[in-house]
Amino acid sequence: SQQGEEDPQALSIQEGENATMNCSYKTSINNLQWYRQNSGRGLVHLILIRSNEREKHSGRLRVTLDTSKKSSSLLITASRAADTASYFCAFTTSGTYKYIFGTGTRLKVLA
Amino acid sequence: EAQVTQNPRYLITVTGKKLTVTCSQNMNHEYMSWYRQDPGLGLRQIYYSMNVEVTDKGDVPEGYKVSRKEKRNFPLILESPSPNQTSLYFCASSSASSGHSYNEQFFGPGTRLTVL
Repeated sequence: SQQGEEDPQALSIQEGENATMNCSYKTSINNLQWYRQNSGRGLVHLILIRSNEREKHSGRLRVTLDTSKKSSSLLITASRAADTASYFCAFTTSGTYKYIFGTGTRLKVLA
Repeated sequence: EAQVTQNPRYLITVTGKKLTVTCSQNMNHEYMSWYRQDPGLGLRQIYYSMNVEVTDKGDVPEGYKVSRKEKRNFPLILESPSPNQTSLYFCASSSASSGHSYNEQFFGPGTRLTVL
């Protein structure tokens, strides 16, 4: 399958803790994006990292990209109950405009 | 307000009855796309369009048609729906970046389709 693989599938943490989720893929990519989805609603873009970047920050989010290992990670620091959602990575493979989404990580932050 | 709209939001239909789900964006985006989301399978791309009159297949195009006659609209057509097309459908759009790259996608609210 061309789908990106994410782990863990589900993650449950206490408020204030950090949450890390990982995305792996199999081909060369143009860029990699992370999205959040709340309970069957539309996806919301969080952060985009280009193939020539290694790390990017946005508020409490930190994304890394290791193209040699074909993997990316999303770190949410000081998590809040409102961060409870599913998180997906997405990417286009080099030379195409077709998007592949990861299988998603369900994050639950307990108050 | 910048947004992607989809209609209808909910639809129950019967096998074989042609239907169209509309998608419209007001951000002058070049790229538009349709996805379906099924439990345990994540989001899978059905069709995408890089610009007016330019469309291409995603991973799961069978049983679907699209058209891009205007930049803002990208309807999804099911000529003869079947129960295995019961799913949650999302439309998305994004602006072009350099090379084969596009910027972040903006998603519509979703259309929940049930085919009996």
